[in-house]
Amino acid sequence: AQRVTQPEKLLSVFKGAPVELKCNYSYSGSPELFWYVQYSRQRLQLLLRHISRESIKGFTADLNKGETSFHLKKPFAQEEDSAMYYCALKGGDQAGTALIFGKGTTLSVSS
Amino acid sequence: KAGVTQTPRYLIKTRGQQVTLSCSPISGHRSVSWYQQTPGQGLQFLFEYFSETQRNKGNFPGRFSGRQFSNSRSEMNVSTLELGDSALYLCASSREGHSYEQYFGPGTRLTVT
Repeated sequence: AQRVTQPEKLLSVFKGAPVELKCNYSYSGSPELFWYVQYSRQRLQLLLRHISRESIKGFTADLNKGETSFHLKKPFAQEEDSAMYYCALKGGDQAGTALIFGKGTTLSVSS
Repeated sequence: KAGVTQTPRYLIKTRGQQVTLSCSPISGHRSVSWYQQTPGQGLQFLFEYFSETQRNKGNFPGRFSGRQFSNSRSEMNVSTLELGDSALYLCASSREGHSYEQYFGPGTRLTVT
């Protein structure tokens, strides 16, 4: 079965501390994984995808097929990083996308 | 470009009734997906439409249906409403070839009493 698990509902850190939001997946085949973010009073939006291997707003995520994980990391958290983060897996057929979301982790960064 | 719009934003219905929700995608986006968000189950994929055809379908009963028009606008319908259908229904659109990058609307909050 295709599944995404985010074990933490809430992660609280201080400004300047490292952040790691955990994501584990279950998928038979070659997965495509994403992180979506929802800031307060804003819409859900794509943060990054594993294929691009880029850093967005200082966040990176590496796909570890051995551990079936796609953890989101940032070395120094900022208060503006406070948001709800969702890990998502691409399901559906090749042409389309049926995103399978984890239940999300709320990141709270305080000064 | 204007973002994804959804109407209505809020709805209250009674058990047994049916409801239709509407979604207008970003101009030029031909793919529209629908998701249900609840506190217990989180975000769950309902279905995806592309060029007026359903391309993917989630694991929801047949009471949930949708369609897409030639201008890419989409509607979803829920018949015989149940209390458990109370949720935030999100619509998302994407460009052809970039279906992984979904642009979400603000959602329609449906309450079933």
